[in-house]
Amino acid sequence: EVQLVESGGDLVQPGGSLRLSCAASGFTFSNYWMSWVRQAPGKGLEWVANINQGGSEKYYVDSVKGRFTISRDNAKNSLYLQMNSLRAEDTAFYYCARAVDYTVDYWGQGTLATVSS
Amino acid sequence: DVVMTQSPLSLPVTPGQPASISCRSSQSLVHSDGNTYLNWFQQRPGQSPRRLIYKVSNRDSGVPDRFSGSGSGTDFTLKISRVEAEDVGVYYCMQSTHWPWTFGQGTKVEIK
Repeated sequence: EVQLVESGGDLVQPGGSLRLSCAASGFTFSNYWMSWVRQAPGKGLEWVANINQGGSEKYYVDSVKGRFTISRDNAKNSLYLQMNSLRAEDTAFYYCARAVDYTVDYWGQGTLATVSS
Repeated sequence: DVVMTQSPLSLPVTPGQPASISCRSSQSLVHSDGNTYLNWFQQRPGQSPRRLIYKVSNRDSGVPDRFSGSGSGTDFTLKISRVEAEDVGVYYCMQSTHWPWTFGQGTKVEIK
């Protein structure tokens, strides 16, 4: 069974940093692209970033470029999102998702990052 | 960026009746490889999104056959043949043909 478990969400002040993690199991992690998608409380979905199997290709939505970094550790079956220079508008549930054939199929349960003073 | 526009944004339905959600893109979703990467997701209250349909009309494993997807180019539709109580939630279309991937605003399906 595919499982994706996010962690690392917290309350942080504007300008601060946060590192989210996603532990993957139930599939061969190193064979798949992975994604981060976020959802502000009560709002819609926004794709944030993708990373290829080896970590050499990364894509970001414009609003996070230069501030967020997606990475992975295939030996640990883990996906990460380093978030710097955080803003109030980055407050959201962050979902880890498995990407396959130009789409995402399985999603985690999400972790909440709150940016507030 | 490709803008995805869903309608309606709110859809009250009577159990057993059909429902239809429209999704239009600001540009063609036909990829250079010939595929059209248009997906539909369901998000039940308090849950993570779940993929229902990929590449316009392919139903995911375990998705009831009352759900169907259709369309081409820039115009797509999700249909529920007979709505059940468990179908309550928000439905999103998402295009993954062009970077960045983009979602529609969501359509809230509720029972009358």
